[in-house]
Amino acid sequence: ETGVTQSPTHLIKTRGQQVTLRCSSQSGHNTVSWYQQALGQGPQFIFQYYREEENGRGNFPPRFSGLQFPNYSSELNVNALELDDSALYLCASSLAGVGNTIYFGEGSWLTVV
Amino acid sequence: GNSVTQMEGPVTLSEEAFLTINCTYTATGYPSLFWYVQYPGEGLQLLLKATKADDKGSNKGFEATYRKETTSFHLEKGSVQVSDSAVYFCALPPNRDDKIIFGKGTRLHILP
Repeated sequence: ETGVTQSPTHLIKTRGQQVTLRCSSQSGHNTVSWYQQALGQGPQFIFQYYREEENGRGNFPPRFSGLQFPNYSSELNVNALELDDSALYLCASSLAGVGNTIYFGEGSWLTVV
Repeated sequence: GNSVTQMEGPVTLSEEAFLTINCTYTATGYPSLFWYVQYPGEGLQLLLKATKADDKGSNKGFEATYRKETTSFHLEKGSVQVSDSAVYFCALPPNRDDKIIFGKGTRLHILP
């Protein structure tokens, strides 16, 4: 039990649609990151939010966007879904600072058909 | 830049066998090092970590020692169980880049 909760756990969307994934971070954690994990691959960094501001971004197009709220919970939005967006989306929370432990949620499985 | 290299899988062992999964890293300074585990159909769980050279992280019978001289953090377990079947990721925590650097993962199958 990491204290990081994600919703929904599974969902199916059609190509071209939009999706919003949600994450509630561990209590007191002010930093949230999102990762995409395709089947059989390692997680790939999408972006990070610190105190409601985007604080780093990986190699993902602008149709991947996010929000962090004052209570440090977060959303990942993906517009114009493509088949290759099918993956496990992982949320990770931590306290800002080098070397602090990062805790992951169980993930949201997105299937795009 | 920072990077992590871990042995390719899948690794298949019989129950009670000895396990080693190799991990080496390239990084500036002396970062913390992590092993994460992902059980089938689940997210990532932190298995163990070490924060400085010669530290040994341990959890659930797994151990890994932070070796500065060989830049390694190999994962070991003396007697594996079927329930250890999972994918294991060696990882460097974020520094200025704000992202975890993961190895490609090693899938472990334990046969009864």
